[in-house]
Amino acid sequence: EVQLVQSGAEVKKPGESLKISCKGSGYRFTSYWIGWVRQMPGKGLEWMGVIYPGDSESRYSPSLQGQVTISADKSVSTAYLQWSSLKASDTAMYYCARFLTGSSYAFDIWGQGTMVTVSS
Amino acid sequence: QSALTQPASVSGSPGQSITISCTGTSSDLGAYNYVSWYQYHPGKAPKLMIYDVSNRPSGVSNRFSGSKSGNTASLTISGLQAEDEADYYCSLYRSSSTPYVFGTGTKVTVL
Repeated sequence: EVQLVQSGAEVKKPGESLKISCKGSGYRFTSYWIGWVRQMPGKGLEWMGVIYPGDSESRYSPSLQGQVTISADKSVSTAYLQWSSLKASDTAMYYCARFLTGSSYAFDIWGQGTMVTVSS
Repeated sequence: QSALTQPASVSGSPGQSITISCTGTSSDLGAYNYVSWYQYHPGKAPKLMIYDVSNRPSGVSNRFSGSKSGNTASLTISGLQAEDEADYYCSLYRSSSTPYVFGTGTKVTVL
């Protein structure tokens, strides 16, 4: 079964660092882009960026460039989303998803989500 | 990133058909056919319902169909069922500094 399994919910304080994970299984992890999508409280889905685990090429939403880092470790089939200094406005549900490319473009497989709460 | 515009809410009775619109511009929706639709129950994983304007992934009910005309894409749900009550988001892949964008989202209510 193709699936993405994300790390568990996090509660952090402003200024702290955080790295959440997304582990793929059931398919060749290095052959598909992985994207990150967030939903802030009361808001819609927002595309954050993507990474190609095969060579770690990444692309970011211009509005989030420099705010987060997307990385991947192909040896453990895992993608990551990290912050060096969290803000209250980073409170959101974060999803990873496999991104189809080539003749079709869509997020076909999604992780279950990681809730990140940043509060003093 | 500029979001695609959807109606905030759409409702219908069981068995009816509803259509959700997704409006962009001539430089995004009007220029690309990589339109997808996702069903989203808050707190759960979004589910791909339609990709490339009108294609259904394996396992998605044929009650869901997609289309596009000009700068507007549409998702139609026929034979509305209680289980269809959810949020629905359109999305677009395009050649841009922001290659992927979601719509504003539509809450579907089954009366």
